[in-house]
Amino acid sequence: DSGVTQTPKHLITATGQRVTLRCSPRSGDLSVYWYQQSLDQGLQFLIQYYNGEERAKGNILERFSAQQFPDLHSELNLSSLELGDSALYFCASSGERAVSSYNEQFFGPGTRLTVL
Amino acid sequence: AQKVTQAQTEISVVEKEDVTLDCVYETRDTTYYLFWYKQPPSGELVFLIRRNSFDEQNEISGRYSWNFQKSTSSFNFTITASQVVDSAVYFCALSEGIKAAGNKLTFGGGTRVLVKP
Repeated sequence: DSGVTQTPKHLITATGQRVTLRCSPRSGDLSVYWYQQSLDQGLQFLIQYYNGEERAKGNILERFSAQQFPDLHSELNLSSLELGDSALYFCASSGERAVSSYNEQFFGPGTRLTVL
Repeated sequence: AQKVTQAQTEISVVEKEDVTLDCVYETRDTTYYLFWYKQPPSGELVFLIRRNSFDEQNEISGRYSWNFQKSTSSFNFTITASQVVDSAVYFCALSEGIKAAGNKLTFGGGTRVLVKP
């Protein structure tokens, strides 16, 4: 158990709909990362938040948005869903250590989204 | 831009055989980290090993070993005496720089390993 929780585990919805995925980082971790794993694109970085602020952006569609709340949990919002958005969405968290060391990312179990 | 390439899409072996997974990376940073993750059929991502760019010493950890060669930008991973439970998709990943707030991971396409009894 990584200590990162994601809800829901599975989500089935229809095209055009909007969903929200939730992530709770490990206790004390300030950074949250979102990754998408799809058959077409593989495993790719979407976005990172650090202590409530957006820190880095990857290949995230404009239909997708995220935020990190004061209690450090994060939500990924996916709107106007298309069939191609069906994927496994992972959240990861990392803490803040000395600049000279690497900050390990711990992955949650993922949310499997199916768009019908 | 950083890139990770895993040329092998699938490897099939018989139990107890050794399996070597290839990984080639591209980065402009002089400081970076390389990883191997395992994704079993259950779907979670399991961290296996991490290596930083300034330590090319190759190591063995149990049945896992890795060969990091900066000159060829390769970070190969070997499972010795494979077992059926090793059947999974293995991902090589790269993280650039040293930043206190964390770094995104760039993953390769993955190599599916099937270990037959």
